Amino acid sequence: GENVEQHPSTLSVQEGDSAVIKCTYSDSASNYFPWYKQELGKRPQLIIDIRSNVGEKKDQRIAVTLNKTAKHFSLHITETQPEDSAVYFCAARTSGTYKYIFGTGTRLKVLA
Amino acid sequence: DADVTQTPRNRITKTGKRIMLECSQTKGHDRMYWYRQDPGLGLRLIYYSFDVKDINKGEISDGYSVSRQAQAKFSLSLESAIPNQTALYFCATSDPRTQYFGPGTRLLVL
Repeated sequence: GENVEQHPSTLSVQEGDSAVIKCTYSDSASNYFPWYKQELGKRPQLIIDIRSNVGEKKDQRIAVTLNKTAKHFSLHITETQPEDSAVYFCAARTSGTYKYIFGTGTRLKVLA
Repeated sequence: DADVTQTPRNRITKTGKRIMLECSQTKGHDRMYWYRQDPGLGLRLIYYSFDVKDINKGEISDGYSVSRQAQAKFSLSLESAIPNQTALYFCATSDPRTQYFGPGTRLLVL
């Protein structure tokens, strides 16, 4: 069935360093890939997304890349700050449906 | 996002009890979802509904049922709660771009 794998499950970086979170999806019909940030005790919120007709998208310090052939997509956070500490989820949505499959999450800790 | 609300926010219940979690939205979205979140397992889809007459099972629907009373309301029921249904439950809505989550309901089944 449909599946999204996410790695790593935890990630610690020093403030100012970069962080990379990777996801792999199984359904080749997936065409939309959002990333959500969930701060402690709060709801997941969309931070960036990418569609299958685009290879890369940037928004200030965050970027997402997509490799359709390999069915991989990644989140890149540069110049990390303590407020970037949170759990990050990737997801994939299949073309023609609005069903989302989520990865298992990455707990990012930015050490001051 | 105050446009998607959930009640109750916290609930403690006992094994075997019936419990209902409610979700309301003012976004006017047709698509609504119920997820549960467990540590290390991410967000798993329980049920989803694309309009009032369309309800679909997700990955983990066993032990749960839903009701879509109106476009704005989507309720999740646990007919006979068991301890492994202890989790954080999120309702979400969707527009053509992405999903919007409610604040979550923390459920503890003793």
